[in-house]
Amino acid sequence: EVQLVESGGGLLQPGGSLRLSCAASGFTFTTSWIHWVRQAPGKGLVWVSHINNDGTKITYADSVRGRFTISRDNAKNMVYLQMNSLRAEDTAVYYCARDAGYSFWAWGQGTLVTVSS
Amino acid sequence: QSALTQPPSVSGSPGQSVTISCTGISSDVGSYNRVSWYQQSPGTAPKLMIYEVSNRPSGSGVPDRFSGSKSGNTASLTISGLQAEDEADYYCSSYTSSTTWVFGGGTKLTVL
Repeated sequence: EVQLVESGGGLLQPGGSLRLSCAASGFTFTTSWIHWVRQAPGKGLVWVSHINNDGTKITYADSVRGRFTISRDNAKNMVYLQMNSLRAEDTAVYYCARDAGYSFWAWGQGTLVTVSS
Repeated sequence: QSALTQPPSVSGSPGQSVTISCTGISSDVGSYNRVSWYQQSPGTAPKLMIYEVSNRPSGSGVPDRFSGSKSGNTASLTISGLQAEDEADYYCSSYTSSTTWVFGGGTKLTVL
């Protein structure tokens, strides 16, 4: 069974940093692309970042480029999202998702990040 | 990276058909058959319903009542034989020429 489990969310002040983790199982992780997608409370889905299977191709949404860094550890079946200089507008549930055919084929349950003073 | 345009809401009675549109531009929906659709019920993660414009993921339990199409810069999701369990939010997504992805704003489907 394909599983993606996010962790690392929490409450923090503007300007702070946080690292989210995504633990993957049930599929061949080393050949899979992974995305981060977020959803602010009561709002729609917004694509955040993507990393290819070996970490050599990484892309970001304009809204997070320069502040967020995606990475992966294929030995541990893990993907990370390092988030720096956090803003109130970064408040959201963050999902990791497995890519297949440029679609978001499987999703985790999400982890909530709240940025507030 | 402007969001794709979806109607905020659509509705239909059980047994009817509804279509949700998703309008992009020539550098996303218009350029690639990499359009997908997601269903999201309250408090749950999104679920892939359609990939590559019109394909249902096998083994995922997506009924054949769900179908997708595309014309120019606009993709569409059609749900036929509407059922109460179809009531949810629906999102489209497309790959873009900037090697990024973009979602639509979402459409709330109400089954009357």
